[in-house]
Amino acid sequence: EAQVTQNPRYLITVTGKKLTVTCSQNMNHEYMSWYRQDPGLGLRQIYYSMNVEVTDKGDVPEGYKVSRKEKRNFPLILESPSPNQTSLYFCASSFRGHEQFFGPGTRLTVL
Amino acid sequence: DQQVKQNSPSLSVQEGRISILNCDYTNSMFDYFLWYKKYPAEGPTFLISISSIKDKNEDGRFTVFLNKSAKHLSLHIVPSQPGDSAVYFCAASRNSGGGADGLTFGKGTHLIIQP
Repeated sequence: EAQVTQNPRYLITVTGKKLTVTCSQNMNHEYMSWYRQDPGLGLRQIYYSMNVEVTDKGDVPEGYKVSRKEKRNFPLILESPSPNQTSLYFCASSFRGHEQFFGPGTRLTVL
Repeated sequence: DQQVKQNSPSLSVQEGRISILNCDYTNSMFDYFLWYKKYPAEGPTFLISISSIKDKNEDGRFTVFLNKSAKHLSLHIVPSQPGDSAVYFCAASRNSGGGADGLTFGKGTHLIIQP
């Protein structure tokens, strides 16, 4: 089954404790991206990657890091999480960046 | 500055009638437009798209219209069904080096289909 998986699905952590949210796709897509969804703000792109070892900032990259060492994986790293990063996070993938397949989401709470 | 705007946070339509969701954009560099549908506790799913070289694209009950001069697009759902109740996001992108240079989303419109 073609899918984008994210782990964990739910995470509660404390300010400053480094965390990683993993994202994996099995569709051989070149393009992957991360979004956050906040009430009243819709979906905002954090980072995207057009191919292995190529990453670019989206609209809200501050406080986040990503890496794309393999085609199928695109982890999101929060080196020092803060409460304003409490949000619902989505990973997505596609062939060329337009019609993107989204994962189920990761709900992150930073205390 | 919001580049993709969905000015109606919610829309209520009777089952069987037409639902029209609207979206405006400000960036004239956008050349590809998409609609996504999102149910609670799920990720968004791609619904329909349109390239800037077209003014209409149809897929079953869903039709997207693009008016480039007005920088406006709309999604028509005919007839509306209860399963269409969801949040609909408008999104736009521009091609860059053979791929999309990111997706910019609107804030979404919550469509409610009344029985």
